[in-house]
Amino acid sequence: EVQLLESGGVLVQPGGSLRLSCAASGLTFGNYGMCWVRQAPGRGLEWVSSISGGGELTYYADSVKGRVTVSRDNSRNTLYLQMNSLRAEDTAVYYCAKIGVTGKWFFDYWGRGTLVTVSS
Amino acid sequence: EIVLTQSPGTLSLSPGERATLSCRASQTVISNYLAWYQQKPGQSPRLLIYGASSGAAGIPDRFSGSGSGTEFTLTISRLEPEDFAVYYCQQYGTSPTFGQGTKVEIK
Repeated sequence: EVQLLESGGVLVQPGGSLRLSCAASGLTFGNYGMCWVRQAPGRGLEWVSSISGGGELTYYADSVKGRVTVSRDNSRNTLYLQMNSLRAEDTAVYYCAKIGVTGKWFFDYWGRGTLVTVSS
Repeated sequence: EIVLTQSPGTLSLSPGERATLSCRASQTVISNYLAWYQQKPGQSPRLLIYGASSGAAGIPDRFSGSGSGTEFTLTISRLEPEDFAVYYCQQYGTSPTFGQGTKVEIK
């Protein structure tokens, strides 16, 4: 059974940084692209970033480009999201999700999410 | 960016009734790369449909998807108590975007 477990969500001040992690199990991790999707409180879903199975290709939403870096360590079955210059509008639950098929970015497994709160 | 508009915002129905949810795209969705997700309060989204009409693994066959181009539909043939939730469409033909969601509530 595929399991994804996010961690690293905290309360951080505007302008601060943090790194989210997503530990994966139940799959051959390096075979699959992964992504981050966020959901602001009471709001809908927003795709944030994706990364290819080998980690060589990365993609970002315009809303976070230049402030966020996605990476992965396939030896540790772990996905990361480094977030810098955080803003109040980055407050959200951040989900990691597995990309269903290479080149087709629907998301077939999701973690339970980790809450990032940006506030002074 | 492709904008997805879901309607209605809220659908009030009784168990056993049929639910029809709409998702309209601002541009043609390439190759009908359209997915549907279900989200219950406090839970993460669950994939229901991909490729506009293909059911995800383990999804009951009362859930079906249809449509092409810019108009897509999710149909729940007979609502079960566990189906009352928020439903999102998502296109992945270009940089992924989601609709704003349709809440299916008990009437």
